[in-house]
Amino acid sequence: GENVEQHPSTLSVQEGDSAVIKCTYSDSASNYFPWYKQELGKRPQLIIDIRSNVGEKKDQRIAVTLNKTAKHFSLHITETQPEDSAVYFCAASPNSGYALNFGKGTSLLVTP
Amino acid sequence: NAGVMQNPRHLVRRRGQEARLRCSPMKGHSHVYWYRQLPEEGLKFMVYLQKENIIDESGMPKERFSAEFPKEGPSILRIQQVVRGDSAAYFCASSPLQPGSSYNEQFFGPGTRLTVL
Repeated sequence: GENVEQHPSTLSVQEGDSAVIKCTYSDSASNYFPWYKQELGKRPQLIIDIRSNVGEKKDQRIAVTLNKTAKHFSLHITETQPEDSAVYFCAASPNSGYALNFGKGTSLLVTP
Repeated sequence: NAGVMQNPRHLVRRRGQEARLRCSPMKGHSHVYWYRQLPEEGLKFMVYLQKENIIDESGMPKERFSAEFPKEGPSILRIQQVVRGDSAAYFCASSPLQPGSSYNEQFFGPGTRLTVL
């Protein structure tokens, strides 16, 4: 089955700096890669996703890149703000609509 | 449009009791997924259901766990004879379209936090 590895497990940055979280996956059939943000005690919320026919996708301060050959994808947050502090999860699945295989999460702390 | 609803939000059971967790998908969504999240860990897929059908239960333990999504009413995740190791947050998610369709994101509910004493 699919195995998703996520690094780092914790990340601390200063407000205004950029944050990068990286994930690798094992199943070459995976072609849907969402990212979720989970605040303490809250539900995971989809912040961005990318499909395998696209190499990069941006939404304001958030961007995701995908390298299918190397089987890795990354989340980039620019101009970080304290409200970006949360746990971020990457996931992979054979296609949107199927079960998501999650990474173990990255706890991001943005300090003022 | 109300989001995915789960109840109860918190559930306390003693070892050996049964736990029933309910999930109402978003309006118009006919696909439901259950995930379990242990403290300080990611979400682990358990089961994927459509109305009256279990599509994929590969992540669900074979014993004590069962799930259903009837034609009418919420999806139910049932855990019989709970043990302390079942303590976790259980999230359900719903999606609107057939797998493989575009924009078929999974939207998560607020979760049920199960504590087994």
